[in-house]
Amino acid sequence: KQEVTQIPAALSVPEGENLVLNCSFTDSAIYNLQWFRQDPGKGLTSLLLIQSSQREQTSGRLNASLDKSSGRSTLYIAASQPGDSATYLCALGSYGGSQGNLIFGKGTKLSVKP
Amino acid sequence: DAGVTQSPTHLIKTRGQQVTLRCSPKSGHDTVSWYQQALGQGPQFIFQYYEEEERQRGNFPDRFSGHQFPNYSSELNVNALLLGDSALYLCASSPYGGANVLTFGAGSRLTVL
Repeated sequence: KQEVTQIPAALSVPEGENLVLNCSFTDSAIYNLQWFRQDPGKGLTSLLLIQSSQREQTSGRLNASLDKSSGRSTLYIAASQPGDSATYLCALGSYGGSQGNLIFGKGTKLSVKP
Repeated sequence: DAGVTQSPTHLIKTRGQQVTLRCSPKSGHDTVSWYQQALGQGPQFIFQYYEEEERQRGNFPDRFSGHQFPNYSSELNVNALLLGDSALYLCASSPYGGANVLTFGAGSRLTVL
């Protein structure tokens, strides 16, 4: 059974810092991996999608990497801003599972202080 | 483009009651998935609908049922509500075969007293 762990559970940093969020998973047979952002009481916004054949994806100040062999992904946020404060979730899509059936971690709650 | 629309946004029920949540998918999407997110947890997959049929189901009891209409909108029904059903219920839509590229709605917050 696939298990997804996100460390740390919460993180508080001053504005301008570069930071790394971690996601680990137990079964390397994944189809893809996504990072989502969730604001309090809101739905999820997809940030980056990495296919299993890819090593990383970049969007603006965000960079996500994937290492299937070690069961790890990282989300790098450069020059953090107060508007980055949210919960960040990683989610795995598996082979054999239908599209739309994602397995999520519990998330990392990020607070960026002005 | 209105994206994924869910209703109601908030509701309160008592134990034993039944609830129906509604979802309108993003324009051009024909597949709807439902997730339950308890406080402090990640979303958990409930089931997915395509062509008006349940295509895959997560580890949820039969009290959770759904429906998809010809216009691709969907309903989630929960019978015999338990306190533990209190959660944010998220609907996500995608084009079939869209490789897990989901668009999520803002969710329906259910509180069971």
